Amino acid sequence: GAVVSQHPSWVICKSGTSVKIECRSLDFQATTMFWYRQFPKQSLMLMATSNEGSKATYEQGVEKDKFLINHASLTLSTLTVTSAHPEDSSFYICSGARYNEQFFGPGTRLTVL
Amino acid sequence: DAKTTQPNSMESNEEEPVHLPCNHSTISGTDYIHWYRQLPSQGPEYVIHGLTSNVNNRMASLAIAEDRKSSTLILHRATLRDAAVYYCILRDPSQGGKLIFGQGTELSVKP
Repeated sequence: GAVVSQHPSWVICKSGTSVKIECRSLDFQATTMFWYRQFPKQSLMLMATSNEGSKATYEQGVEKDKFLINHASLTLSTLTVTSAHPEDSSFYICSGARYNEQFFGPGTRLTVL
Repeated sequence: DAKTTQPNSMESNEEEPVHLPCNHSTISGTDYIHWYRQLPSQGPEYVIHGLTSNVNNRMASLAIAEDRKSSTLILHRATLRDAAVYYCILRDPSQGGKLIFGQGTELSVKP
């Protein structure tokens, strides 16, 4: 199967700072990437759909000015959590689409103090 | 988005077959049925998908009802490593192919 990596795997930051999470498709080109977040004991919630070279499409209720998504190349998408607060602490997961399948990264655990 | 209904949890014994059910009575003609599983603190892993016919791969089999309103994921011989949350998801390629996750079934496997 295709491989997606995320960096960092975990991050702890102070309230009010911004955090950038990278998502890379290592052995395939992903014209579309997706960003999810997952709170403890809950399912994944889709945040946004990112297409290479265009603006991301955000799901209802997700603040686009707070969660900045950039998909500058076919193998890299980034999610920046701006002015993070403790309620943004979560497990953030990206995926890249290839044909009829999505391949998920290992996730990034964000803790905001 | 079409929804799926799965039992919250199931138990299985090691080396026995497991049948994980999924109801999707509002499925449309263009929806594919996808199954993913997620181990704790990891990203989801693709298991299998199908449209109308039953499907087999090295991980599992997918049995799709003739009316497509339900499907069953079959693990032929459960191992301890199969303990995970299994998600049944309907995916419409014409709608950007995004996956909307439900609550899934938490499968536990007893030795």
